Amino acid sequence: KAGVTQTPRYLIKTRGQQVTLSCSPISGHRSVSWYQQTPGQGLQFLFEYFSETQRNKGNFPGRFSGRQFSNSRSEMNVSTLELGDSALYLCASSQTGKSGNTIYFGEGSWLTVV
Amino acid sequence: DQQVKQNSPSLSVQEGRISILNCDYTNSMFDYFLWYKKYPAEGPTFLISISSIKDKNEDGRFTVFLNKSAKHLSLHIVPSQPGDSAVYFCAASAIRAGNMLTFGGGTRLMVKP
Repeated sequence: KAGVTQTPRYLIKTRGQQVTLSCSPISGHRSVSWYQQTPGQGLQFLFEYFSETQRNKGNFPGRFSGRQFSNSRSEMNVSTLELGDSALYLCASSQTGKSGNTIYFGEGSWLTVV
Repeated sequence: DQQVKQNSPSLSVQEGRISILNCDYTNSMFDYFLWYKKYPAEGPTFLISISSIKDKNEDGRFTVFLNKSAKHLSLHIVPSQPGDSAVYFCAASAIRAGNMLTFGGGTRLMVKP
């Protein structure tokens, strides 16, 4: 069974540009969530999607957005990139949207903003 | 205000001995706790979890203990192996908060041969 797949793995963008990251959850998983990891702030929750609906949102500016498709695949978008957006972006999937399920992470997308 | 804290940034243990990683939380709504192992520039790997209705869960060399009254949990690794060297994160999710995880800051474990 394939794990959580994220693309691209590495990318470099320029300040002011936008970026789209993609995530394919484990087959059968309907909940997808996104996290940002930086050295200073650690692992922080961005948002969670379940059945194409955003269920929870972390404390990030509106430049960060996401969506989920009918096949549970998800994308996140960051517009008007800033240097501080350089981070490892992690996607996680779970079978249901309820607390108490194991949550599995992908390998991450490493974004560098120059 | 950090709701999940791992107060030890690093821990060094001899191979074959027990590793004990600690985690404290403040939010009484947390009802599910998970431990992850992580290498640099990779995603966290799930290790073990525990529901708030239990006080212990065991899986092979890994055991997690939960003390709800103290809002404290710990991960025991016995015996420790050099391959266990990584950063370990404690995470918690709350009732009615779906799969939103709140992470601790992590503890770097070094297991010396």
